[in-house]
Amino acid sequence: EVQLVESGGGLVQPGGSLRLSCVASGFTFSSYWMHWVRQAPGKGLVWVSRINSGGSDTNYADSVRGRFTISRDNAKNTLYLQMNSLRAEDTAVYYCVRDWYYQDTSGYHNFFDYWGQGTLVTVSS
Amino acid sequence: DIQMTQSPSSLSASVGDRVTITCRASQSISKYLNWYQQKPGKAPKLLIYVATTLQSGVPSRFSGSGSGTDFTLTITSLQPEDFATYYCQQSYTPPRTFGPGTKLDIQ
Repeated sequence: EVQLVESGGGLVQPGGSLRLSCVASGFTFSSYWMHWVRQAPGKGLVWVSRINSGGSDTNYADSVRGRFTISRDNAKNTLYLQMNSLRAEDTAVYYCVRDWYYQDTSGYHNFFDYWGQGTLVTVSS
Repeated sequence: DIQMTQSPSSLSASVGDRVTITCRASQSISKYLNWYQQKPGKAPKLLIYVATTLQSGVPSRFSGSGSGTDFTLTITSLQPEDFATYYCQQSYTPPRTFGPGTKLDIQ
């Protein structure tokens, strides 16, 4: 059974830092791209960051670029999100998400097939 | 970035009803469109990918259609467990933007 279990959320002051972790099990973690997606209280889903299977390529939303760093340790089946210079608007539930794809004649169609339960980050003084 | 819109933003319906949710992309995305269902306090769940393909385990009362810029999610014969918020998402180009969601509640 695929499982993604996030941890590391909590209350932090503006300007502070936090590191989120996501431990994966039930699949070959090192074969999959992984993402972080967040959801502010009562709001919609927002993609945050992506890392390729080997960890050599990353991508970020404009709103977090330069402040957040995604990384992974395939030996530990763990995905990370280092969050620095946190702002009130970063307050959200952060989900760890697995990326998979379907291939047809038009190319690769990616989708998020498994999600963790989420971890809440609250940025407030 | 590609902008995704959904209509309606909320919808009231009854068990047994047929409902349709619309998603529109700001540019053509071919069939690079996914649908997710989210229940309160829970993580989203993949329903449909490539606009029309049902994820394994998803009931056949859910269906998707469309291509280009306009897409629909249809639920026939609503069940109590279907009352949730539904999001579309484009996977045509990064960032993989989501629609704002459609909240489906019981009438």
